[in-house]
Amino acid sequence: GIQVEQSPPDLILQEGANSTLRCNFSDSVNNLQWFHQNPWGQLINLFYIPSGTKQNGRLSATTVATERYSLLYISSSQTTDSGVYFCAVEWRDSSYKLIFGSGTRLLVRP
Amino acid sequence: GAGVSQSPSNKVTEKGKDVELRCDPISGHTALYWYRQRLGQGLEFLIYFQGNSAPDKSGLPSDRFSAERTGESVSTLTIQRTQQEDSAVYLCASSPLAGGEQFFGPGTRLTVL
Repeated sequence: GIQVEQSPPDLILQEGANSTLRCNFSDSVNNLQWFHQNPWGQLINLFYIPSGTKQNGRLSATTVATERYSLLYISSSQTTDSGVYFCAVEWRDSSYKLIFGSGTRLLVRP
Repeated sequence: GAGVSQSPSNKVTEKGKDVELRCDPISGHTALYWYRQRLGQGLEFLIYFQGNSAPDKSGLPSDRFSAERTGESVSTLTIQRTQQEDSAVYLCASSPLAGGEQFFGPGTRLTVL
């Protein structure tokens, strides 16, 4: 099956710093989503981005499908950005289920 | 509009008992998915519904797990004879159509004592 790897596994930032999270996948995908899981466990949709670049406020994402990776950029981080960031892909050879990476745990300190 | 809702939010049960978990998808979403998240881990796919049919049940861990969907709306995940390894957060997601962006509910935290 497809492998989805996220890096780094853990990240600690000072408030105001920028960061880049990476998601590599081992096969072609139909779709890719980025989620933020807040400390209460809720999964919040960040981006639906099978290819290209999107921006939403301080966050942006880029997926290069031909090279099998996606990047999530967080600029001017805030303490509320803390939580776990998941990348999930819809593998072309499976049903429409999402296959999740193991996440990047982010802590933003004031 | 309303998002995906799940009930109960928490469920504590004794080993061997049966439990039912409910998911109400976003109105009009034809596709519905169940996932499981063990403590500190990513999400694992369980089952996918298109309308009331389940084309992919490949993630159900054992025959103790079953799910149904009625009226192309609410879905119920049933776990029979619960075991301690079933303890996890069970999350439901829906999408407007198969392969579309998935939106998740808040989950049901199941604890099997």
